[in-house]
Amino acid sequence: DAKTTQPNSMESNEEEPVHLPCNHSTISGTDYIHWYRQLPSQGPEYVIHGLTSNVNNRMASLAIAEDRKSSTLILHRATLRDAAVYYCILPSGNTPLVFGKGTRLSVIA
Amino acid sequence: GAVVSQHPSRVICKSGTSVKIECRSLDFQATTMFWYRQFPKQSLMLMATSNEGSKATYEQGVEKDKFLINHASLTLSTLTVTSAHPEDSSFYICSARDLGTYNEKLFFGSGTQLSVL
Repeated sequence: DAKTTQPNSMESNEEEPVHLPCNHSTISGTDYIHWYRQLPSQGPEYVIHGLTSNVNNRMASLAIAEDRKSSTLILHRATLRDAAVYYCILPSGNTPLVFGKGTRLSVIA
Repeated sequence: GAVVSQHPSRVICKSGTSVKIECRSLDFQATTMFWYRQFPKQSLMLMATSNEGSKATYEQGVEKDKFLINHASLTLSTLTVTSAHPEDSSFYICSARDLGTYNEKLFFGSGTQLSVL
């Protein structure tokens, strides 16, 4: 998997938007950008993924830079239940996901 | 949506006993499932890749005789921690990808917290 770089931690106020950055300067042309999150004491859950165009789903939005060397996961209104570790991963085909340290998001009421 | 069911969610056992963890894909088939281990405050570490109908592939440093993996059907993989010791205490997580998809999302079980006394 191509290497990704994320901040160790971020903090947000409840009901505010959160922008979680990820740098992946060595991304190849066919690498998808995946985001997962892990809530405390649970297995990871899929959040969103994309290739080139920005993507939206019920959980979040994914903004992908034009050169694809970075992306941003956007939570439009953070809630306390969004407190988790967020992982940005560039999987290679059908190989298993390789998890880095991710970004620990804290949400303040 | 697709769900991966993992049982048990928590197990406490005595040192020297064996523990079996089950991972089922509930509404899709998976020829391959992945087993991860996670220690407190650390990220997930891949232990092995479970292949339906064939031997599992283990990551470097993971003892295949200690962590027995069986993937007997397209919807079930099991991980057995044999002769468990306190250092095996960890959070074990399985995951699977829908058969026939490529570069698509992985689905994860809810994890099993193993505590060996």
